[in-house]
Amino acid sequence: DTAVSQTPKYLVTQMGNDKSIKCEQNLGHDTMYWYKQDSKKFLKIMFSYNNKELIINETVPNRFSPKSPDKAHLNLHINSLELGDSAVYFCASSPGWQGVRDTQYFGPGTRLTVL
Amino acid sequence: ILNVEQSPQSLHVQEGDSTNFTCSFPSSNFYALHWYRWETAKSPEALFVMTLNGDEKKKGRISATLNTKEGYSYLYIKGSQPEDSATYLCAFKGGGNKLTFGTGTQLKVEL
Repeated sequence: DTAVSQTPKYLVTQMGNDKSIKCEQNLGHDTMYWYKQDSKKFLKIMFSYNNKELIINETVPNRFSPKSPDKAHLNLHINSLELGDSAVYFCASSPGWQGVRDTQYFGPGTRLTVL
Repeated sequence: ILNVEQSPQSLHVQEGDSTNFTCSFPSSNFYALHWYRWETAKSPEALFVMTLNGDEKKKGRISATLNTKEGYSYLYIKGSQPEDSATYLCAFKGGGNKLTFGTGTQLKVEL
C-alpha cells in the first residue's frame, strides 16, 4: 500500500495550459509539502500545509496554488504553464512540522514537461 | 539563503571499498540534520535524523556522525555493495522548520 502517492506520474502539456497534480498520504500525517526538483537535481521546498493550513510559502510564482481539501491531500494547481515549469515535482508528508525528528516521506514524483 | 553543501558531487568505488562523504551546513540556529538515500527512479528515503552534537547513528553498513559546532556531518559506508548505488542527500533543519536540502553525493559502486 503506497504511503504517499501522486498522480499523474507523467504530465506533458502545452504552454499556457492549466494543470493539477494530486497528492495523497495514508500515513495519518498532519503535514504535507510540495518540492520542485530543478535542472541541477536540487530539491527545493515550494509549499507546506499543516492540518489544511498553509505554513510555508516560498517565493514561487503566484501561478502555482496549493490546495488542501483535508489533511491527507495536498494538490498543486499551476496556471498558464511556462517552459521553465518543466521539472519533477515531489510531494512529501511528515507527522508534524515543528518536531526536530519529523522525517519526511516522499511520493514517487510527477515529471511535468511543458512544450 | 541557507548554504547546505555536499562533497564530493559524485563518487565511483569498487565493491567492498569503504567510503565517506560530507555535508556542510550553518552552525547557527541548528535543529536537526537529516540524511536521505535516493535511488534512481524512486523517491528519497530517510536514513537518519541527527539532533545532538557528537551524535552517531548506524544502520547496517551505513553510519553517520554530526558536529553542530563546526557545521558538518559525515556519512560512512563500510564494504560498499552495488545496491548502495544511489544519491545521498543531507537536509538541514533550522529555525524556520523547513528542510533545506544539499545537492547530494551520487555514489556508484562497481563490481
